[in-house]
Amino acid sequence: DAKTTQPPSMDCAEGRAANLPCNHSTISGNEYVYWYRQIHSQGPQYIIHGLKNNETNEMASLIITEDRKSSTLILPHATLRDTAVYYCIVRASNTGNQFYFGTGTSLTVIP
Amino acid sequence: SQTIHQWPATLVQPVGSPLSLECTVEGTSNPNLYWYRQAAGRGLQLLFYSVGIGQISSEVPQNLSASRPQDRQFILSSKKLLLSDSGFYLCAWTEGGGVSPLHFGNGTRLTVT
Repeated sequence: DAKTTQPPSMDCAEGRAANLPCNHSTISGNEYVYWYRQIHSQGPQYIIHGLKNNETNEMASLIITEDRKSSTLILPHATLRDTAVYYCIVRASNTGNQFYFGTGTSLTVIP
Repeated sequence: SQTIHQWPATLVQPVGSPLSLECTVEGTSNPNLYWYRQAAGRGLQLLFYSVGIGQISSEVPQNLSASRPQDRQFILSSKKLLLSDSGFYLCAWTEGGGVSPLHFGNGTRLTVT
């Protein structure tokens, strides 16, 4: 079962930063936070993951609060191609632990 | 680099017919393999996962089964399809153990008529 809570939808103006929140208040010490996105009719695409430190890659930044109970995915300069459903997942590193997807946030980037 | 292949891309099958969807991964050894299903407008539901040849775990009791005859091959099957089996089926893989992310194939859109 999904252990995260995300807003069902968000809008963002093209060129502005998109900040997608995720609540994972019951996260355990060995659970990582992963973010994926799914463009319509395609398989989900991995974006970024982290444990407790903030992470950045060529796609996005991940900000995890100090208590690790929530995180924010930041797309620094949203484009129309960033319109997608974004999923936040928590998963422990132990073998046998699975990736459970919730319903995600539908992000619409507006021209 | 690793790649995942899933076929066919689309499939239309009558109720009561059998199903076989295949997924293969290249460029890695002993991956964990997964089958997910996504009903129209819904989230992803984990159906099966496998940590090795012949090892299958089922998440949801249903009309489907999975098999892993080779290290990098994962097959989703049904003997008799139901209308409710319609959906978007996704195969995925990750490195066995550790924190490596899940990587998905392009999916198969199945319509049962």
